[in-house]
This record gives sequence, structure tokens and C-alpha cells, in this order.
Amino acid sequence: AQRVTQPEKLLSVFKGAPVELKCNYSYSGSPELFWYVQYSRQRLQLLLRHISRESIKGFTADLNKGETSFHLKKPFAQEEDSAMYYCALRSDDYKLSFGAGTTVTVRA
Amino acid sequence: ETGVTQSPTHLIKTRGQQVTLRCSSQSGHNTVSWYQQALGQGPQFIFQYYREEENGRGNFPPRFSGLQFPNYSSELNVNALELDDSALYLCASSLSSGVVTGELFFGEGSRLTVL
Repeated sequence: AQRVTQPEKLLSVFKGAPVELKCNYSYSGSPELFWYVQYSRQRLQLLLRHISRESIKGFTADLNKGETSFHLKKPFAQEEDSAMYYCALRSDDYKLSFGAGTTVTVRA
Repeated sequence: ETGVTQSPTHLIKTRGQQVTLRCSSQSGHNTVSWYQQALGQGPQFIFQYYREEENGRGNFPPRFSGLQFPNYSSELNVNALELDDSALYLCASSLSSGVVTGELFFGEGSRLTVL
């Protein structure tokens, strides 16, 4: 069985400061990891996926299989980054398992 | 292009009753999945339908059932409601290729309260 852990429920940073959201997973197969985001009064939406190795809105995430982690990072947080962030793992049967989420607040 | 729409947005039921939640997929999407999101938790996978067939199920009892119609809209049915069924129910659609890429398009959810 797969499991996704986001140890921080809440994260508060100042505008311009770096932000890092932690995500750890357990899965016996070959994992595919994603970050989903939910802005205030908006729907849950895909932010980025590890397989694309892309930077979206300044965010990057590296899959570390040795540490079973997929932390999300941004060097300079902006106020518009305030949102709920979910780490998700896709298993071989294409089922997505989500973590409990981290609420990020960026203060001016 | 219309997004994923769900109905009703809110509803209240009592223990033992049955509920049906509805979802219209985003235009062109043939895969739909349902998630349960309890307060303070992430979405939990219930099941997924591809071209009217269930092709994946999470750890939910049989009283959670679903349907997908030829127009790819979908229903989630829950029988014999329990208090713990109180949650936000999310529908997500994707192209079959979206299942491979992991990009799901979510609706705004139906909030169910069981008294």
C-alpha cells in the first residue's frame, strides 16, 4: 500500500523568503509524484509533476528515491502563493493517493 | 470548454438514508474518479470509471457505488449512510492520457452532512 505524508499542517513565511513544503512517501513500486494546489475559492488543480522536471510559478520539486521524498521549493515566496498544497503519489494502477495537505500563508 | 460540475453543492441526510451525487465531466474527458475529503484531510480515492467501466477502487465498502454514463457523466451512490460519511465529495475527470500523466480536473465538490 502507498502512503503520502506531509508533516507540516501550516507553514507561514514572509514575502521574499524561501519556502519548502515537505513530502515523504512509501510505495513498493516505481512512484510518480505530483503537487496539487488549491487557492482560496478555487478548485484543486495540478501544480507540477516530477516526471516533467518543470518549474511552475517558480516552484520546483525533486524526487529523491533514497530519502523517499518529493519536497516542493520556491526561493522567493509571493503573496499569491498562499494556498493549500497537496502532495500526491500515483501507483501502478493509476490511483492517486494524497497527503493531508499543507496550508501556506505568505505574509507581507 | 466547460469544467467539471457537481451537484448538489450541499446536502444534509440522516443516518441510514441513501444519497446520490452527480458529476458532469469536462468536455472531451472519458475518465472520472471520485474522492472523499474529510475535514482536515487530503482527498481519499473512492473509485474510477473509464468508458462506463469501473477500473480502480480504493478502500471503501460496497455501499459506495457508482455509475458512468455514455456521455461520461457520473454518479456516486452511498447507501446506509453513517455519520463518518460526512465529507466533501470531489469528482475529477481526465482524458485517458490524463490518467497516465496524473493531471486530474476537479469539480468544486458536494458537501454531505450526515446527522
